[in-house]
Amino acid sequence: GAVVSQHPSRVICKSGTSVKIECRSLDFQATTMFWYRQFPKQSLMLMATSNEGSKATYEQGVEKDKFLINHASLTLSTLTVTSAHPEDSSFYICSARSSGGYQETQYFGPGTRLLVL
Amino acid sequence: GENVEQHPSTLSVQEGDSAVIKCTYSDSASNYFPWYKQELGKRPQLIIDIRSNVGEKKDQRIAVTLNKTAKHFSLHITETQPEDSAVYFCAASINTDKLIFGTGTRLQVFP
Repeated sequence: GAVVSQHPSRVICKSGTSVKIECRSLDFQATTMFWYRQFPKQSLMLMATSNEGSKATYEQGVEKDKFLINHASLTLSTLTVTSAHPEDSSFYICSARSSGGYQETQYFGPGTRLLVL
Repeated sequence: GENVEQHPSTLSVQEGDSAVIKCTYSDSASNYFPWYKQELGKRPQLIIDIRSNVGEKKDQRIAVTLNKTAKHFSLHITETQPEDSAVYFCAASINTDKLIFGTGTRLQVFP
């Protein structure tokens, strides 16, 4: 099946620093990737939709200047958390949508656990 | 926008019993309904999905039913095993675009 990787798997940073998370589709091309955030014991909340070669579409309440998304190729999307603060600590998960016509679906990366001190 | 409700929030069953989790959605345009199993600290794992042109789909011990008129869909797990213990999420989307997730159900299967 389709494989999606994320890097890093875990990151600890000081408040005020920026953190970049990479999401890669390893064996398929993904014109669309999605970024989700999951706080402890909660559901996944969609943050933004990342489209290759165009600007990301952000969900209501998600600050686009704080969560910078770049989708420069068909296999790579990056999420940069700028000036991270403790309240940004969360589990960030990306997904990539395979293009299979009727059978297309989203495949999730393993997630990145961010802890901001 | 789409809103997905999921019940129950926790479910405890004896090994071998069946488990049923129910979800409702609000947007009649939604046509793709996946179910995910998530173990602690891991990624959501797709276990079954259904599209709006069918009413039921089965894969071994897992089945999903969809009622488009009532806008609800359910996950059925038969002959539960301890390894089925996890958090299960339903989701809804239009054409596999952005997924709106339910609040999750913590399933515990006791041996």
